[in-house]
Amino acid sequence: SQKIEQNSEALNIQEGKTATLTCNYTNYSPAYLQWYRQDPGRGPVFLLLIRENEKEKRKERLKVTFDTTLKQSLFHITASQPADSATYLCALEGGNKLVFGAGTILRVKS
Amino acid sequence: DAGVTQSPTHLIKTRGQQVTLRCSPKSGHDTVSWYQQALGQGPQFIFQYYEEEERQRGNFPDRFSGHQFPNYSSELNVNALLLGDSALYLCASSLTLLGLAGAQETQYFGPGTRLLVL
Repeated sequence: SQKIEQNSEALNIQEGKTATLTCNYTNYSPAYLQWYRQDPGRGPVFLLLIRENEKEKRKERLKVTFDTTLKQSLFHITASQPADSATYLCALEGGNKLVFGAGTILRVKS
Repeated sequence: DAGVTQSPTHLIKTRGQQVTLRCSPKSGHDTVSWYQQALGQGPQFIFQYYEEEERQRGNFPDRFSGHQFPNYSSELNVNALLLGDSALYLCASSLTLLGLAGAQETQYFGPGTRLLVL
């Protein structure tokens, strides 16, 4: 069956450290994968998109990698800040529609 | 430039009732997708509208229906509400490039409508 799995437990890190979130998938061959941020009671906000032929994408303190062999994407936030605390969702293209993981809660402590 | 707007923000209904949720896409966007997000879960795709037609549908029963208007705004209707329909309903807009299904990529989400079914 098709599955998208993100770290089920919340990730707690210290301010200034790098947060790394994982997204694994099975039985999909996505043309692209996206990462979104969602704050409580709000809609997801698009952060980054990476295509199947790209290994890495960066935007300011954010970095995404995409390994189609491992069927995995890693999302990094460097020099993390308390304001980065949120739920981070990965979403992949699954048959012309976006399929989301359940998300990982990130808590950055000062 | 207005982003995606949804109304109402909150709604309380009882089992068996019907509900209509509304969405106005971001300016310049022509495609609207609807998602259901239960607490602690990621958004689940309900369906997508483009050129006033349902282009793609997720694994939701026929009680869920929708409509897109000529100005690209959209409605989501849910009939015969069940307790399990309680969720955050999200609308996302995007631009379909060259009329190709799946070619639209980045989606912009609205704030959602919180539906509680009692």
